[in-house]
Amino acid sequence: DFQMTQSPSSLSAFVGDRVTITCRASQGFGNSLAWYQQKPGKVPKVLIYAASTLQSGVPSRFSGSGSGTDFTLTISSLQPEDVATYYCQKYDIGPLTFGGGTKVEIK
Amino acid sequence: QVTLKESGPVLVKPTETLTLTCTVSGFSFNNNRVGVSWIRQPPGKALEWLAHIYSFDEESYTTSLKSRLTISKDTSKSQVVLIMTNMDPVDTATYFCARITEGTSSHAFDIWGQGTMVTVSS
Repeated sequence: DFQMTQSPSSLSAFVGDRVTITCRASQGFGNSLAWYQQKPGKVPKVLIYAASTLQSGVPSRFSGSGSGTDFTLTISSLQPEDVATYYCQKYDIGPLTFGGGTKVEIK
Repeated sequence: QVTLKESGPVLVKPTETLTLTCTVSGFSFNNNRVGVSWIRQPPGKALEWLAHIYSFDEESYTTSLKSRLTISKDTSKSQVVLIMTNMDPVDTATYFCARITEGTSSHAFDIWGQGTMVTVSS
C-alpha cells in the first residue's frame, strides 16, 4: 500500500525559529504534493501545491521543496498564528494519501 | 464564489449504511476538469482520504475501505455522493468533501466544505 510518512508528529519551537517538516512517500510520484494547514476546529487550508508553489495569500515564510519521494515544508520564522497541524498529501493519481500530520506548538 | 456543502445524517447505528451528499455551487461539473474527494477526520485524529471521483467519472478508493465505499456524481444536481456501508463506531468522524482542479493548473484541494460530523452509536 502507498504510504506518506510525515515527521515529526509534533514539535515545539520558539517564535522566530526555523521549522522543518518532512514527508516521505513509499513510492516516487513526481511533484504533485501539497501541504495543508489545519487550525483547531477549522477546515484544512492549502499552503503549498506542486511541492513548492505557494498558494495565493499564504505568507512567504512558508516554503516547500522536494520531488519523487522526499518533500519538506519549511517555516522560516515561526509566528504565533502558525500554531496548527500540518499535513502533506499526494494529489495526482489515487490513492490521494495524507501524511499523519505534524502538530506545531510555540514554546 | 465556489462553495461545497456536505449533508447527511448526524447519527447512524452500527451496521447501517451512511449516505453523504456534497453539493457544489459556483462552478459546474460540465466541461470543467474538476474532481471531488471525500476525506474524514475522527475527533482529535488525522485527516484520512476516503474516495475520489475524477472529471471523467473514474473512481478511486482508499484500499482499507474500498469494499465499503461507493462514490458517484450527479452533474445535473451538482452533487457528489458517498455511500459507506456497515458503519461502525470507529467511523465516527467529521466528513469533508473537497474540490481539485485537475491537470497542470491544479492547486491541489483548494476548496473544502465545512464538514459534517457523523456519530455511529446504537
